[in-house]
Amino acid sequence: AQSVSQHNHHVILSEAASLELGCNYSYGGTVNLFWYVQYPGQHLQLLLKYFSGDPLVKGIKGFEAEFIKSKFSFNLRKPSVQWSDTAEYFCAVNAGTSGTYKYIFGTGTRLKVLA
Amino acid sequence: EAGVVQSPRYKIIEKKQPVAFWCNPISGHNTLYWYRQNLGQGPELLIRYENEEAVDDSQLPKDRFSAERLKGVDSTLKIQPAELGDSAVYLCASSLLSQESVYEQYFGPGTRLTVT
Repeated sequence: AQSVSQHNHHVILSEAASLELGCNYSYGGTVNLFWYVQYPGQHLQLLLKYFSGDPLVKGIKGFEAEFIKSKFSFNLRKPSVQWSDTAEYFCAVNAGTSGTYKYIFGTGTRLKVLA
Repeated sequence: EAGVVQSPRYKIIEKKQPVAFWCNPISGHNTLYWYRQNLGQGPELLIRYENEEAVDDSQLPKDRFSAERLKGVDSTLKIQPAELGDSAVYLCASSLLSQESVYEQYFGPGTRLTVT
C-alpha cells in the first residue's frame, strides 16, 4: 500500500536558521507531490506542488522542495526561517491515475521557530 | 473567490447521538473529499466524490458513517451513532479533476467534533 513518511515530528529552530523537512513516499508509479501548511488557527493551505518538469520547485514564502525520484523523496527546504513560519507542515502524495488515484498525507511535522 | 465552507465549526455531542457536517466546495470544483484528522496525525481520507459519484469510500466506516453529495455540489457527512473514538477534526476539501491531472486540494476550516 502507498504510504508517506515524515521523519521529523517536531522541529525547533531559531530565526534565520535553515530548515529541511524530510518526506519519503512508497509508490513506484507516477506521483504528484505536495506540501501543505497549517498555521495556528488556520486551515490547511498549499505551500508548493510538483507535477512534472524541473524537480526543484519553489513555493510561497521562500519555501522550495526537491523531488528526487531515485530516493522517493520530496524534502522541503527554506534557507532562513522566520518566527511566522511556526506551523504544522504536511507532505502529501497523489499516486495513481485519474479514476484510481489515492491522495495520501504524512503525519505532519510541527515546526516552532523561536524569535 | 470564496473558499470551502464548512459548518458547524465546533460540535459537542454525547456518545450514541447523531451528528451531521455540511460542506460547500469552491464553485466549479468537481471533486470533493471528506477527511478525518486525529490529533497529531495527518488527514485520512474518508470518502471522495467526483461530481455526484462516490468513487472512493473504502475508508468510510459504513456501519455508522454516511455521506451524500446531491447535485454534485454541497455534501453532508453523517455519523450515527457517534462513539468516543469519533472525536476528531472533520475536513472537507475540493479540487478540479481532469483527464490529464489531479490538482491541488483546497481545504475548509474543518469541524472539530468532541464526543463525550
